[in-house]
Amino acid sequence: DAGVTQSPTHLIKTRGQQVTLRCSPKSGHDTVSWYQQALGQGPHFIFQYYEEEERQRGNFPDRFSGHQFPNYSSELNVNALLLGDSALYLCASSLEKSEQYFGPGTRLTVT
Amino acid sequence: RKEVEQDPGPFNVPEGATVAFNCTYSNSASQSFFWYRQDCRKEPKLLMSVYSSGNEDGRFTAQLNRASQYISLLIRDSKLSDSATYLCAVREGFQKLVFGTGTRLLVSP
Repeated sequence: DAGVTQSPTHLIKTRGQQVTLRCSPKSGHDTVSWYQQALGQGPHFIFQYYEEEERQRGNFPDRFSGHQFPNYSSELNVNALLLGDSALYLCASSLEKSEQYFGPGTRLTVT
Repeated sequence: RKEVEQDPGPFNVPEGATVAFNCTYSNSASQSFFWYRQDCRKEPKLLMSVYSSGNEDGRFTAQLNRASQYISLLIRDSKLSDSATYLCAVREGFQKLVFGTGTRLLVSP
């Protein structure tokens, strides 16, 4: 049974560029949440997708957007990258209101 | 006041010791609580959910104190492999998890 998968594992981008990160949820899960984890901090909630719609959003600017596909996989898009966007981006999947399981993350470096 | 607060540590303990971490939360309406373990440069892994009556899983015991708004994690008979950062998380809304900054545990021989 495959767990949560994310791609790519690492990414280096330049300030001002755009990036797309991908997530496939654990088999049977229908809800995907995205988190940003900066060094030395806990993960911070970006948003959550359920039934292909953004259901809940954290305190992140509109530069952060996402999408969920009919097969429950999801993308996180970040536009106009800033140096401060450098972080580990984590995807978590779950069934509604159940425990969340995290993927290995994508480490984004913005130079 | 932060929504979820943890002592960052590090907690340095010898193998075999018992160690406990606390985590305080500010939203008295919170209903669901979790402990995650995170190894260096890896993803958080769910250690256990925290139930109102408290729960135990092997050497690990989690407790919830609603009156004082904190959850705790007790690790008995510490192993070298327990060295990691322990994150507490509180669920708000549908599925938003609010995490503390984590408590670092170092178990030495």
